Amino acid sequence: AQSVTQLGSHVSVSEGALVLLRCNYSSSVPPYLFWYVQYPNQGLQLLLKYTSAATLVKGINGFEAEFKKSETSFHLTKPSAHMSDAAEYFCAVSEVGGAQKLVFGQGTRLTINP
Amino acid sequence: DAGVIQSPRHEVTEMGQEVTLRCKPISGHNSLFWYRQTMMRGLELLIYFNNNVPIDDSGMPEDRFSAKMPNASFSTLKIQPSEPRDSAVYFCASSFTGGHSPLHFGNGTRLTVT
Repeated sequence: AQSVTQLGSHVSVSEGALVLLRCNYSSSVPPYLFWYVQYPNQGLQLLLKYTSAATLVKGINGFEAEFKKSETSFHLTKPSAHMSDAAEYFCAVSEVGGAQKLVFGQGTRLTINP
Repeated sequence: DAGVIQSPRHEVTEMGQEVTLRCKPISGHNSLFWYRQTMMRGLELLIYFNNNVPIDDSGMPEDRFSAKMPNASFSTLKIQPSEPRDSAVYFCASSFTGGHSPLHFGNGTRLTVT
């Protein structure tokens, strides 16, 4: 069974600083990996996805993530944080060729300090 | 496209009452998911449908919960009788079939059972 671990339930960075949100996954088969963002009182929105093509994936709003099989990681980064990036971020995994069930991590709340 | 539409946005009810949550998926999507989000348990998949057929309901917590999808454009999640521990935000999401297809979420229904 797949699982996802997000390290750090809360991350705080200054505006303009690097954003790094950590995600490690566990899967017995090649995974599909996703990052979603949730703003207050809204549903989740897709930021980016990895589907076994390029290991460095670029998403919306300047975010990107790198799939590292050897480390079973899919960390999310953004070079320069903006106040509008404050939100909760979820990493999720599903199985290639398997059931279409997304398993989500517990989420990381990102706070941006002015 | 209007996106996934959920109603109501907020529901407050007394313990023991029946609650019905509604969802209209994005037109053309053939997979539909119901998730529950709480602080303690995060995002939990309750049930998902492919082509209106329930595929996996292993996440439905109890017999008090039931879900239907009578046609491709409508689904309901019913709780009867409701209990205070059912208080949560319930999300509906839809997608094309396939593990690589991202989910599109509605804005959720915030349920409070007193």
